Amino acid sequence: GAVVSQHPSWVICKSGTSVKIECRSLDFQATTMFWYRQFPKQSLMLMATSNEGSKATYEQGVEKDKFLINHASLTLSTLTVTSAHPEDSSFYICSARKGEKLFFGSGTQLSVL
Amino acid sequence: AQSVSQHNHHVILSEAASLELGCNYSYGGTVNLFWYVQYPGQHLQLLLKYFSGDPLVKGIKGFEAEFIKSKFSFNLRKPSVQWSDTAEYFCAVSGSGNTGKLIFGQGTTLQVKP
Repeated sequence: GAVVSQHPSWVICKSGTSVKIECRSLDFQATTMFWYRQFPKQSLMLMATSNEGSKATYEQGVEKDKFLINHASLTLSTLTVTSAHPEDSSFYICSARKGEKLFFGSGTQLSVL
Repeated sequence: AQSVSQHNHHVILSEAASLELGCNYSYGGTVNLFWYVQYPGQHLQLLLKYFSGDPLVKGIKGFEAEFIKSKFSFNLRKPSVQWSDTAEYFCAVSGSGNTGKLIFGQGTTLQVKP
């Protein structure tokens, strides 16, 4: 198998602040990582594809200036929710591709007050 | 529009009962299909996948799924469930050749009573 570590597991922040979420592949290199969001009782929605050394590819309807993605190394991708608002409260989860398989992080529950 | 629909949101079974979880998808072109499972307190992990070939796919822990192209379905089955199968199950689809960009269903919570 493979291990993907996502940090933090949960975060509470004030409206208007920024929050950074990290996704690390611990025992393999991942040139491609993915960020998803899940609202309660809804499916996981792909937000963006993070490519090491290049700009992320965002899905339609996802604001790239609000959800900043950085994939500066082969084992780390970060998602920064800028100027967070209560409607950004959600469960964010990352995955990293190893060959044909995807390995998921444990997710981050973001609550914006 | 691309989408995945799981018909059962919450399933309760007794041990040894048979399981079938429905999954239908809407996606243009050739697809790859997946079932993921998330046990309580754990990460999502892959149960099984279909890329091509035999439409009946066998996965881990006795699970199998059948791809029926004409019905756009990829139902998950297990002949006899165990209490340890209690988890949330997600069906997902991607375009062939792009195994990272997944579209997920909303998930089915399976509760197995001992």
